[in-house]
Amino acid sequence: GAVVSQHPSRVICKSGTSVKIECRSLDFQATTMFWYRQFPKQSLMLMATSNEGSKATYEQGVEKDKFLINHASLTLSTLTVTSAHPEDSSFYICSATGQGAATNEKLFFGSGTQLSVL
Amino acid sequence: QKEVEQDPGPLSVPEGAIVSLNCTYSNSAFQYFMWYRQYSRKGPELLMYTYSSGNKEDGRFTAQVDKSSKYISLFIRDSQPSDSATYLCAMVPAGGTSYGKLTFGQGTILTVHP
Repeated sequence: GAVVSQHPSRVICKSGTSVKIECRSLDFQATTMFWYRQFPKQSLMLMATSNEGSKATYEQGVEKDKFLINHASLTLSTLTVTSAHPEDSSFYICSATGQGAATNEKLFFGSGTQLSVL
Repeated sequence: QKEVEQDPGPLSVPEGAIVSLNCTYSNSAFQYFMWYRQYSRKGPELLMYTYSSGNKEDGRFTAQVDKSSKYISLFIRDSQPSDSATYLCAMVPAGGTSYGKLTFGQGTILTVHP
């Protein structure tokens, strides 16, 4: 299957600082990338959808000024949590879908980033 | 009512057992169905992908879709301790993931004990 790399896997930061999470598609061009948030023992909650070269589309209730998403190339999307607070502590996961027969219509997930805000 | 309902379990079975995981859905627009496996603190891994009613087999895994009943299942034969994980069903309307978003079930926690 296609490979999506996500870094860092774990980050601990102080309240008020900003944290950037990277999501890369290693062996395919990701036309669309998605960012999810997952709380313990709960399912994935979609935060936003990003297409290369355009602004991200945020789900209802997700603050776009707090969760900045950049999808500058077909292989890289970043999520920046600005002025992080303890309630932002969560597991963040990216996913990507591509254009080729092997990747179209299917989502491939990164390994996730555990964010802990002190 | 949630669009996708999945029994959260937890489900505990002995090694070698046949496991049945199920989801029901209410939105008849869903056309593509997926099963993901997620280990603790890891991203979901795509296990099975189907788009038509019937069965699809891949090794020890069989995905079953019944669109008339809005019901999907994942069967795991000869379960192994390494199958212990959370299993998520997911589905999307026609147009695929490029144009829409997956709707996930709540996930079923499976433990296979030796």
